[in-house]
Amino acid sequence: DVKVTQSSRYLVKRTGEKVFLECVQDMDHENMFWYRQDPGLGLRLIYFSYDVKMKEKGDIPEGYSVSREKKERFSLILESASTNQTSMYLCASSLLRRNTEAFFGQGTRLTVV
Amino acid sequence: GENVEQHPSTLSVQEGDSAVIKCTYSDSASNYFPWYKQELGKGPQLIIDIRSNVGEKKDQRIAVTLNKTAKHFSLHITETQPEDSAVYFCAAPGGTSYGKLTFGQGTILTVHP
Repeated sequence: DVKVTQSSRYLVKRTGEKVFLECVQDMDHENMFWYRQDPGLGLRLIYFSYDVKMKEKGDIPEGYSVSREKKERFSLILESASTNQTSMYLCASSLLRRNTEAFFGQGTRLTVV
Repeated sequence: GENVEQHPSTLSVQEGDSAVIKCTYSDSASNYFPWYKQELGKGPQLIIDIRSNVGEKKDQRIAVTLNKTAKHFSLHITETQPEDSAVYFCAAPGGTSYGKLTFGQGTILTVHP
């Protein structure tokens, strides 16, 4: 059974903290993605990576960075958490080709207080 | 880049009725249109997709139609059941990087028994 696993279901962090969200996939996929989900705004792409150590900005990269040191692992980093980063974060992976299915993790609900 | 608009944002139907969700896209280079279903507490999961060389695709109670001229595509669910209650997202790839998707805003479907 294919799997994308996010390290935490729920996180509560304080304003100004550095936050790490971790994602691991076991499908040997080249692509990995971080999305943010907010009501009425759908899924918005923060960053994606198509290879180890490669990354590209998505639609809303401000305030975030990413790291991909191994093919199976993709980390999202909030350098200095702010309350407007309170959201649901979804990790996904897919093969590096056109018209291919994306597989999602279960999501991390982050609250910044 | 690609822009995807999805309507309605919420949809409430009685069990057994049909439900229709509509999306429009902006990038004429898009040629793949998936639909994802997100159940409570889970990540989105692909339920059906259509490629630009066909106008309609069916899978049991769900179907997707595509009008490339008008740049819109729709999800049709017939004989709805309570377990169809979920958030549904449409998506399109645009003409850019392989595997990257732009998602619509989501539709919360509620099926009342």
